[in-house]
Amino acid sequence: IQMTQSPSSLSASIGDTVTITCRASQSISTYLNWYQQKPGTAPRLLVSAASSLQSGVPSRFSGGGSGSDFTLTINNVEPEDFATYYCQHTYSPPPTFGQGTRLEIK
Amino acid sequence: QVQLVESGGGVVQPGRSLRLSCAGSGFTFSGFGMHWVRQAPGKGLEWVAVISTGGRFEFYADSVKGRLTISRDDSKDTVYLQMNSLRVEDTAVYYCAKDVFSGYDSGTLDTWGQGTVVTVSS
Repeated sequence: IQMTQSPSSLSASIGDTVTITCRASQSISTYLNWYQQKPGTAPRLLVSAASSLQSGVPSRFSGGGSGSDFTLTINNVEPEDFATYYCQHTYSPPPTFGQGTRLEIK
Repeated sequence: QVQLVESGGGVVQPGRSLRLSCAGSGFTFSGFGMHWVRQAPGKGLEWVAVISTGGRFEFYADSVKGRLTISRDDSKDTVYLQMNSLRVEDTAVYYCAKDVFSGYDSGTLDTWGQGTVVTVSS
């Protein structure tokens, strides 16, 4: 199963709302996770099962979608949100990642 | 707290071998599937391998099948990645990660180590 994210990079200002999309090459129900990675650090699980926010993740993050199309939305972007975001399916092994979306400061 | 610490990375020539280790603490290690994920310099995340609880099940990415082997020693709370016939394209940061569910290999990774760097170069 191939995962395709768009855009590959995104510029935003503090306070903006941004949406990252992830498309699977086949239907994966809601077997979709989102991770955040900052430079030089390990990825962090943000959202599992397409829309379930992990403990400690700010409520400005939200995930949605099912089937083959998914979104990660960040409302009111804050400085600590500038990072790279990856989607990952867990429908069947191997649990592949998307290529990543880099969120940059405008 | 739940923690994973990798070790064993380094510089190795093409065709040689290396073994990575990942020690877990703060959770019941034997109850969780364990994964390795790698990231080549400047690139995205690539899932590499999983080993289920008790070592009953292993699965590998096609890119490493037959060369990399995952194993675990629950008496030491440690998962390993034996890397043989290394290639330049295996150069990456290697992360171990814990599955979020006890007893079920979902592929959802809720705890990651800090990573260990493997450089394959002549």
